[in-house]
Amino acid sequence: NAGVTQTPKFQVLKTGQSMTLQCAQDMNHEYMSWYRQDPGMGLRLIHYSVGAGITDQGEVPNGYNVSRSTTEDFPLRLLSAAPSQTSVYFCASSYRQVYGYTFGSGTRLTVV
Amino acid sequence: DAKTTQPPSMDCAEGRAANLPCNHSTISGNEYVYWYRQIHSQGPQYIIHGLKNNETNEMASLIITEDRKSSTLILPHATLRDTAVYYCIVRAHFNYGQNFVFGPGTRLSVLP
Repeated sequence: NAGVTQTPKFQVLKTGQSMTLQCAQDMNHEYMSWYRQDPGMGLRLIHYSVGAGITDQGEVPNGYNVSRSTTEDFPLRLLSAAPSQTSVYFCASSYRQVYGYTFGSGTRLTVV
Repeated sequence: DAKTTQPPSMDCAEGRAANLPCNHSTISGNEYVYWYRQIHSQGPQYIIHGLKNNETNEMASLIITEDRKSSTLILPHATLRDTAVYYCIVRAHFNYGQNFVFGPGTRLSVLP
């Protein structure tokens, strides 16, 4: 039981490049979400999903796309990286909304 | 979701109980109180949650006042590894349109 697995752990991109941050969970959780965390700030919600095939926007969705083709995977795509997207990204999952979320260990992204 | 107010920082001696307060005076009847913590550069870790009764698990105890306008997280025997930022969050049960909003939290320093 690996919990929530995020890859890669570190990534450096050039402005304009695209990439996909991977998130996988093996707990059969229905709910998954992506957050970004910037210095001195809390966690801001980017996108979330309440089940396979269902996604919705969070607080800061611009510049990011998601899909949820399976229960296990919830990748986050950066379409055209910008320096403002330099951040630490966390993926989280939960069995039900009322239960606590399990977070991944994060992806540190730097856009130069 | 209701707003929460936490002290920005607290110190606690190793081996003593750490009592972290949280005010949530505008909490609604269907909102739960959740506590998470984040150890430097790691993903947030779920600690405990409750609705109106006091709760205890292997990590901590949660004391919610009778009017539910405030709560206290208790780490009974703090260790150096409990040094972290602790987040108090309130959110509604099965509120599919919302997700966790992490504020600045309380930075707990456990001192030897």
